[in-house]
Amino acid sequence: DIQMTQSPSSLSASVGDRVNITCRASQSISSYLNWYQQKPGKAPKVLIYGASSLESGVPSRFSGSGSGTDFTLTISSLQPEDFATYYCQQSYSFRTFGQGTKVEFK
Amino acid sequence: QVQLVESGGGVVQPGRSLRLSCAASGFTFSSCAMHWVRQAPGKGLEWVAIISYDGNNKYYADSVKGRFTISRDNSKNTLYLHMNSLRGEDTAVYYCAKEELISGTTVYFDYWGQGTLVTVSS
Repeated sequence: DIQMTQSPSSLSASVGDRVNITCRASQSISSYLNWYQQKPGKAPKVLIYGASSLESGVPSRFSGSGSGTDFTLTISSLQPEDFATYYCQQSYSFRTFGQGTKVEFK
Repeated sequence: QVQLVESGGGVVQPGRSLRLSCAASGFTFSSCAMHWVRQAPGKGLEWVAIISYDGNNKYYADSVKGRFTISRDNSKNTLYLHMNSLRGEDTAVYYCAKEELISGTTVYFDYWGQGTLVTVSS
């Protein structure tokens, strides 16, 4: 089974900060990596698919990069509505999620 | 617009069974692979199972293999999860999710239901 490891598990940031969240796969998954945002009590929402493609309607401050085993989600300028938990997910072999990264207000 | 509405959750005793349903609308259900994903209270997301568009292929997470069965009725636009031999660690919000396929190989969950809570407790 492919394991996905995110870092950090949580971070504190301020509005306007640049935020990077990393995700590492236990084996190469090419670009079969997606990123989701989840707010409390809500279903997750896709932000990035195929490692770097922005889902329609998602603000351009979100971007994704990487391939193989190492991936990054970047929020270029954190907005108040971005405080949430973020998950990476591989679709190379079945499906696996990372453990999540909670972005909190500093 | 796409809608996924789960139902069937509730409180169930350990060892008992439960069936979840997910009613789909707003898209061609019979053309899409579908998934169940769960989230234990205060924990992260865990993928549970996938079923192909025609129901012929099904795969499960190791944690539920042999106890859970995913199925679908394309004539009713409905996805199911039959859960047997339930354990305390199966307590979670269960989401159904639609899979989007891009360029023949890239797949991701583009729509999710609101979730239904299953609590396994005596």
